[in-house]
Formats: sequence, structure tokens, C-alpha cells
Amino acid sequence: NAGVMQNPRHLVRRRGQEARLRCSPMKGHSHVYWYRQLPEEGLKFMVYLQKENIIDESGMPKERFSAEFPKEGPSILRIQQVVRGDSAAYFCASSGQNTEAFFGQGTRLTVV
Amino acid sequence: GDSVTQMEGPVTLSEEAFLTINCTYTATGYPSLFWYVQYPGEGLQLLLKATKADDKGSNKGFEATYRKETTSFHLEKGSVQVSDSAVYFCALKFSQGAQKLVFGQGTRLTINP
Repeated sequence: NAGVMQNPRHLVRRRGQEARLRCSPMKGHSHVYWYRQLPEEGLKFMVYLQKENIIDESGMPKERFSAEFPKEGPSILRIQQVVRGDSAAYFCASSGQNTEAFFGQGTRLTVV
Repeated sequence: GDSVTQMEGPVTLSEEAFLTINCTYTATGYPSLFWYVQYPGEGLQLLLKATKADDKGSNKGFEATYRKETTSFHLEKGSVQVSDSAVYFCALKFSQGAQKLVFGQGTRLTINP
């Protein structure tokens, strides 16, 4: 019974490149949440998605960031034209309807 | 807006010491409260939770009581072990269905043998 799977675990990008972070929710879960953790800080909510729908994106930066959760396949968090300030750990969590959220191990993005 | 404030870290204790990590919150309404633990290189794991005032959450020897009057949810353990070394996050959420959590900044705990 695999948990929430995120890949890659570590990602290095040069400034201006694109970063794609993937999250496969736990089996049976249809809700996905993305959080960002800056160094020595807590996690900050970014976006909440259900299959094919963005439910709440109040924590997403207005530019360069997008997220999707297609009918088939993992959820993708996409960061275009990355800058040094995007360096962080990005965590995905999944849940069922009215159930606890389980977190993945995170993707640590480093922008050089 | 809603927020969570945790005791500043890092916290270093000897094995078998008593642990308290303070957590207070600001919220309009009555949220559910959580403690998560993050071991090195891993994601967050739910440690315990409480959904209403005066509830006590407990797990693995850790406890926390939801105090509405002081808007607090302090984490305690009577005798810590080296394996408890981790980062601890206090969090709140409102919605019954959605798992949109508001986290504190985390407290790094190191237990020395």
C-alpha cells in the first residue's frame, strides 16, 4: 500500500528553466494539496485540487506557478522561469473525502 | 488571518527529560488542531490531533490538550528518547472536508543520549 509518492526527490534547475514536480496520491484519494516549505520555516499552503479541478489556489503565486491534477496520472506542480527564491521543499499531501491528509516525502528544489 | 505560533527552537534535551513545545493560535472560530512530526529527510507525519475544546490528543507518549480559553495546544511528553529527535509542527484547519492546513514555523528537537 504505497503512500503519497513524489518525484523527483531532489531537483536542480538553473535560473530561467522550468521545474516540474510530480505527486501521485495514495490509492483511493482524489484530493491533492501542495505546500511549500522555505528553509527554517513552516509549510505554506499553495493549492488544493481534485481530479481535473482546482478548488483553492489562494496560496499560489500569481505568476510562473501552475498546478494540475488530470483525470489520469499524477498531479503536477509547474514552475516556469525559476528564480533563486523558488528554492524550497515542495510537499504534496492527499486525502479522501473527509479523511486525514497524508504527506509525501517532498521534492527539494534548488535553483542555481 | 488565521495563524499558528510555536515556541522558537532549536530545543535540546537529554534522554528521559520532560518535553514541552508551546503552540498558540489565532483564528476566527474553532478550528481542529494538529501536531505533525518531520524526521530528517522525510515528509510530515500526523502525530496527534484534537477537534474541539478540552479534547486531548495522544500518541506515542505525546499529548496535547485543546485549550480554547488560552488558544493553545502545547505538546508534552514525559520522557523523551533519542528517536524523538525531529522537527515538530503545530497546525490548524477549519474545513470539515478540505485538508487545507495552516502551520507554525516548526520546532527542531534534538535529544542527546
